[in-house]
Order: sequence, then C-alpha cells, then structure tokens
Amino acid sequence: DTGVSQDPRHKITKRGQNVTFRCDPISEHNRLYWYRQTLGQGPEFLTYFQNEAQLEKSRLLSDRFSAERPKGSFSTLEIQRTEQGDSAMYLCASSLIADGTEAFFGQGTRLTVV
Amino acid sequence: TQLLEQSPQFLSIQEGENLTVYCNSSSVFSSLQWYRQEPGEGPVLLVTVVTGGEVKKLKRLTFQFGDARKDSSLHITAAQPGDTGLYLCAGARSLEYGNKLVFGAGTILRVKS
Repeated sequence: DTGVSQDPRHKITKRGQNVTFRCDPISEHNRLYWYRQTLGQGPEFLTYFQNEAQLEKSRLLSDRFSAERPKGSFSTLEIQRTEQGDSAMYLCASSLIADGTEAFFGQGTRLTVV
Repeated sequence: TQLLEQSPQFLSIQEGENLTVYCNSSSVFSSLQWYRQEPGEGPVLLVTVVTGGEVKKLKRLTFQFGDARKDSSLHITAAQPGDTGLYLCAGARSLEYGNKLVFGAGTILRVKS
C-alpha cells in the first residue's frame, strides 16, 4: 500500500496526558498537511510542511500542539496536556508540489480525551 | 467565517433519484476538489477541477467549476445506496498560500433503497 499512512488509528487518553501521532506520506510527496475534523464538520487546516520546513501554522494550533517533519519524510503531531476539546479526528494529507493541489489523505487518527 | 459554503447540509433521498450539491465562495480558487468520506475514514479524492467552466464526469457523477472559479456543483444521477457518505468540497488557494486546501462543512448524503 503506497497511500498515506497514519498511526495509531484510535487513541483514548486521559485529560492532561501527552499524545503523539505519526503520519507517513506518499513517498516523494514533498508537501504534508495536518487537519483536524470534528463531528459533522469539514476538516480544518492546522499546519503544513514543504519538505522539512514548517511553512504555516493555523491559529487553531495552540502552544500545546507541535508538529515536526525532521527529515522531510514522516511527520509527527504532538499534543501536550490534552483537553477534552482536543477530541477529534486528526487527518494527514500529502501532495506533490508539482501537481500543486491534489492532496491525498490518510485514514486519520481518532483521538478521544476522557 | 466559512470560506466555502456547502448546501444542503443534509440530503436523504430514495434510490434512483437525482441530486445536486453546491459549493459556493466569494473567493477565487486555483482549483477545487471534491472528496467523499465515510465514517471513521479519511476523505477520498473524487475529482479536481481547475479551469473556470470545466465539467468533469465520473460515471454517474458530474462536477462543474464555475466560470469565475468561485463555486462548484456535484450532480449525481440515479443515486445508489453506495453513494451514501459525506461529500466535501475543498478549494485550493494559490501557490503563495501553499496550495492549502480549505474545506466546506460537507453534505451528508443518505440514499435509501
């Protein structure tokens, strides 16, 4: 399978704990995006990388959120001191800059904070 | 403020009926994508439209991009229960905006047999 892969698929954590999600994009895709989706809503942009550089962060991304893409391949999204409001589906997508706009999504990580 | 407005939010129809979903904005997009998403899964890309006025067909699905590249529609002919899902439109801003996709809130389609 050469699609976008996200791990874990599901995560249940207690409020106040830290969690980390991983995304493996389609190989050779140089753009990687993180989105958050709550029930009944479309995905909301969080941040994106071009290769290893983080080029934009949404105001939705509070100081408790950090994302990295150290070698321009896989990416991690960490949430510190989780809150119940962080419960959502976290989606990763990748694209090839030459193609510009077609983004392909992973299956997402469903986070539940109890 | 929602950059992309989708309508209707929810649609429940009988198998065999036709339907149209709309995606509107006051902003111009370099391209527009339509995705279909099933519960618990990530969105799956259906089509990308780039040129104003462009029409693309994918079996029973017809996608149109507005002349001014501000709006789009998805028309499904003879809907099937397998078409049930959340349909999302997403507009891509220009390269200077990172080709970042902004999404509408989605249209939940339920096709009853």
